[in-house]
Amino acid sequence: QLQLQESGPGLVKPSETLSLTCTVPGDSVSMTNYCWGWIRQSPGTGLEWIGSIYYTGSTYFNPSLNSRITISIDTSKSQFSLKLSSVTAADTAVYYCARHLGAGFNQGFDYWGQGSLVTVSS
Amino acid sequence: QSVLTQPPSASGTPGQSVTISCSGSSSNIGRSYVYWYQQFPGTAPKLLIHRNNQRPSGVPDRFSGSKSGTSASLAISGLRSEDEADYYCQAWDDSLSASLFGGGTKVTVL
Repeated sequence: QLQLQESGPGLVKPSETLSLTCTVPGDSVSMTNYCWGWIRQSPGTGLEWIGSIYYTGSTYFNPSLNSRITISIDTSKSQFSLKLSSVTAADTAVYYCARHLGAGFNQGFDYWGQGSLVTVSS
Repeated sequence: QSVLTQPPSASGTPGQSVTISCSGSSSNIGRSYVYWYQQFPGTAPKLLIHRNNQRPSGVPDRFSGSKSGTSASLAISGLRSEDEADYYCQAWDDSLSASLFGGGTKVTVL
């Protein structure tokens, strides 16, 4: 059972940058077999894919968030990270990191972190 | 409003069958695999069905998935109280180059 773990501030001020890191056990994040992604869920609403990354650094982002997203990967630390800039209250959500079923961004997610609640408020 | 359309709710009594639909288009469900997730309040989603109709190890065979054209369905047979949860469909959209989730369906066991 792969256990992903999100970490980062739970409170971010409007207009600032939200930063989260996902730690993956072992050296899984550098494996060629998988891509890694971020998904969020606003209170009481459904799931929204944010973006995904492959160990090479190749990325795909949600077009609606594209201009504000940075996703990076650090294989030496077995981590991948999300930065979302210029946040507003609408970005308040539980943020999940997850593993794609395979090496394609078009695949679903088989392992998820427990989620990290980020609140945007002054 | 989600590009993948699910009914907001579904219900049944214990032992009954429930089917949840997920409607999309030729750029997503029509040409991509569909995935289904189960989510309980306060917890992360769990993969229930992958590649349209495949169950991961440990998922009961009461859960089954199917796809036809631009729509997909998740069926739950022999409904149990522990099946009361939110269910989401997901598919890749080639036109948007984005992964899409349906709006979710809350299943209630009466």
